[in-house]
Amino acid sequence: DIQLTQSPSFLSASVGDRVTITCRASQGISSFLAWYQQKPGKAPNLLIYTASTLQSGVPSRFSGSGSGTEFALTISSLQPEDSATYYCQQFNSYSFTFGGGTKVEIK
Amino acid sequence: EVQMLESGGGLAQPGGSLRLSCTASGFTFSTYAMIWLRQAPGKGLEWVSSITNRGDTTYYADSVKGRFTISRDNSNNTFYVQMDNLRAEDTAVYYCAKARGLGLNWFFDAWGRGTLVTVSS
Repeated sequence: DIQLTQSPSFLSASVGDRVTITCRASQGISSFLAWYQQKPGKAPNLLIYTASTLQSGVPSRFSGSGSGTEFALTISSLQPEDSATYYCQQFNSYSFTFGGGTKVEIK
Repeated sequence: EVQMLESGGGLAQPGGSLRLSCTASGFTFSTYAMIWLRQAPGKGLEWVSSITNRGDTTYYADSVKGRFTISRDNSNNTFYVQMDNLRAEDTAVYYCAKARGLGLNWFFDAWGRGTLVTVSS
């Protein structure tokens, strides 16, 4: 299976900050990467797919980049409602895998 | 509006069985692959099983292969996972999700709220 390593596992930032979460794949996955946001007690919500395509309805402060083995999710100006855990997911192979998650806290 | 609703969770004994259902609405169910995923308490997300739109091909994580069976009923916009020989490590919130993408390259653009499965004696 393809392993995904997210970093950091936790970050604390202030409203208005630019934050970046990285996701590294154990082998090349082209652009077959998605990002999800999960708030406590809720189901995950799709933010980005195919590495950089913004899902309909997702605020434009979220953006994705990368290909191959290195990917990033950036929030350009952190908002209070962005407090959540973020997961990357590879869909290069049908044995889908997720990163371990990054918990984002608002200072 | 796309909606997905799971049912069937609850408490099962080790070695026991449960069947989860997921009823979907708001899209043409028969044209999409469907997915089960799970999240153990305090842990990350794990893909469990997938079924193609016609139900003719299924896929399973190694952790559940031989114990779980996914199926679907396109006439009722519902798909299922039969979980047999349950283990304590199957304890999790189970989510159903709608797949999107090309070929077998799927991401998940709609999720249910989840149903809790607890395996304990």
